[in-house]
Amino acid sequence: QKEVEQNSGPLSVPEGAIASLNCTYSDRGSQSFFWYRQYSGKSPELIMFIYSNGDKEDGRFTAQLNKASQYVSLLIRDSQPSDSATYLCAVRGTGNQFYFGTGTSLTVIP
Amino acid sequence: ETGVTQSPTHLIKTRGQQVTLRCSSQSGHNTVSWYQQALGQGPQFIFQYYREEENGRGNFPPRFSGLQFPNYSSELNVNALELDDSALYLCASSFLGSGELFFGEGSRLTVL
Repeated sequence: QKEVEQNSGPLSVPEGAIASLNCTYSDRGSQSFFWYRQYSGKSPELIMFIYSNGDKEDGRFTAQLNKASQYVSLLIRDSQPSDSATYLCAVRGTGNQFYFGTGTSLTVIP
Repeated sequence: ETGVTQSPTHLIKTRGQQVTLRCSSQSGHNTVSWYQQALGQGPQFIFQYYREEENGRGNFPPRFSGLQFPNYSSELNVNALELDDSALYLCASSFLGSGELFFGEGSRLTVL
């Protein structure tokens, strides 16, 4: 079983819509959760982090965490073509390592 | 721009050869970690260095080794290259304990 699982997509949404990206993790003891964005041919960049159950909002982005269900999600409101990228869910494990999912490819259609 | 630089950006090696990849951390960061990203996959943790000591390692064989220097720059060495080592190698710098990794643009290695 992989430590972090994501639907690889591709996910397509029209411009202005809400994009919903989901992630599950296997280690119930995990405490820190991250969303990274990776444009094609580029390196990942951090968008959001969340440590507590519930929602965390930052501009058009909302991260949601449910530790009981071992589930993390990222909502992107008012999606823009510039949001088209691969979104990587990452969970911090023991031993200072981060476990990344395979990523969900998002395309926002103008 | 993250301030993390990697070299070389692209390189081609043949099976059995050795390779050294280099990384210069963002100023002020004391931790560097290395990740391998195969095509269509997420980054896989190789190891992390803090104060010139390895303080975390993923599921990679010993032929993957590293160094961190006093100026926090780092090297990743891979011996006896295999075809499956073909990937993008990402260096990330951070503060120890921080959840934010600042990635360089990566070194794309092709093993023929």
